[in-house]
Amino acid sequence: GAVVSQHPSRVICKSGTSVKIECRSLDFQATTMFWYRQFPKKSLMLMATSNEGSKATYEQGVEKDKFLINHASLTLSTLTVTSAHPEDSSFYICSSKPGPASGRPDTQYFGPGTRLTVL
Amino acid sequence: EDKVVQSPLSLVVHEGDTVTLNCSYEVTNFRSLLWYKQEKKAPTFLFMLTSSGIEKKSGRLSSILDKKELFSILNITATQTGDSAVYLCAVGLIQGAQKLVFGQGTRLTINP
Repeated sequence: GAVVSQHPSRVICKSGTSVKIECRSLDFQATTMFWYRQFPKKSLMLMATSNEGSKATYEQGVEKDKFLINHASLTLSTLTVTSAHPEDSSFYICSSKPGPASGRPDTQYFGPGTRLTVL
Repeated sequence: EDKVVQSPLSLVVHEGDTVTLNCSYEVTNFRSLLWYKQEKKAPTFLFMLTSSGIEKKSGRLSSILDKKELFSILNITATQTGDSAVYLCAVGLIQGAQKLVFGQGTRLTINP
């Protein structure tokens, strides 16, 4: 299957600092990548859609100034949690979607996730 | 509001049993339905269904979609302890970047 990597896998930071999470699509070029958040024993909640070369599209209720997304290349998207607070502690997962030419455009392939703990 | 509902939320069975997991949906602009398995980390892809009545199989797992009744089932036969996981159902929408709407997941535990 497709491979998507995330880095770091785990981060612990102090309140007020910023944390950057990288998501790389290793098997295919991805014009679209997605960022999700998952609370313990809950399902995935879409935060934003990351579009290569343009601004991200945020879901309702997600602060774009707090969760900065950059999709600078066809294989890399980054999520920066700015001025992190304890309530931002969560499991953040990215996914990558192949383009229409792949024959599997609806299938999202997920990274291993990043567990963020803000003290 | 687009909604995906899975049932049961939790299921505990013995090794060797057969289980059926359910997923119903109410969405506008349906495009596809996907099943994922999530163990400790990120979800891994199982199936994508777009047409009614066509069963997809992979080993002991199979799934089918009913677009008239708006639901899908995931069957696992001869369950093994390694099948223990959270199974997520997601619906892909025809809009924009074709985002996925996830259900709450079914936590399946297989006891030896």
